[in-house]
Amino acid sequence: QVQLVQSGAEVKKPGASVKVSCKASGYTFTSYSINWVRQAPGQGPEWMGWISSYNGNTNYAPKFQGRVTMSTDTSTTTAYMELRSLTSDDIAVYYCATDRGMSDSNGYQDYWGQGTLVTVSS
Amino acid sequence: DVQMTQSPSSVSASVGDRVTITCRASQGISTWLAWYQQKPGKAPKLLISAASSLQSGVPSRFSGSGSGTDFTLTINGLQPEDFATYYCQQASSFPYTFGQGTKLEIK
Repeated sequence: QVQLVQSGAEVKKPGASVKVSCKASGYTFTSYSINWVRQAPGQGPEWMGWISSYNGNTNYAPKFQGRVTMSTDTSTTTAYMELRSLTSDDIAVYYCATDRGMSDSNGYQDYWGQGTLVTVSS
Repeated sequence: DVQMTQSPSSVSASVGDRVTITCRASQGISTWLAWYQQKPGKAPKLLISAASSLQSGVPSRFSGSGSGTDFTLTINGLQPEDFATYYCQQASSFPYTFGQGTKLEIK
């Protein structure tokens, strides 16, 4: 069965960077792409971006452009999301989710990781 | 960006009731719409894609309809496990955007 297992909770200082991992199993890694979605406390989900596990193509939400980098490692079937210049506005649970598109996104997030809480505090 | 507006923001209902949640897009998105269910402390769960296509394993009491700018999620015969928050999401164009959510509470 498809499973996405994310790295553990992080506490970072303002201005620092965080890199969240998402280990995929149960399917051919390059057949599905990955979306990253975050959810601040008490808020709705916010889409951050998409990466094709097949060819590495990315699309980032304008809000995060220049501050986020998404990558994949096909040898370990792991996706990564790095967010830089953290502020208190970045406190959220960060999720990875599969997308059935291979080289293009199909837009629908069907399998989700368990989430990674990122806290930003001095 | 396509703005997604859900209504109501919360609704109270009883087990066995029928509930309808609406979602409006700020521009036409054809049927590029998903519905998710989220319970506290859990990741969202995809219920419906392409406006009306029920995901495998999702009970048939859930249904979706609509196209263009107006969409609905209907739950017929509410069950205790259905009390959760529901989100719509447009998948028509980047950046994907979610509605603000509808919290379904027990009356």
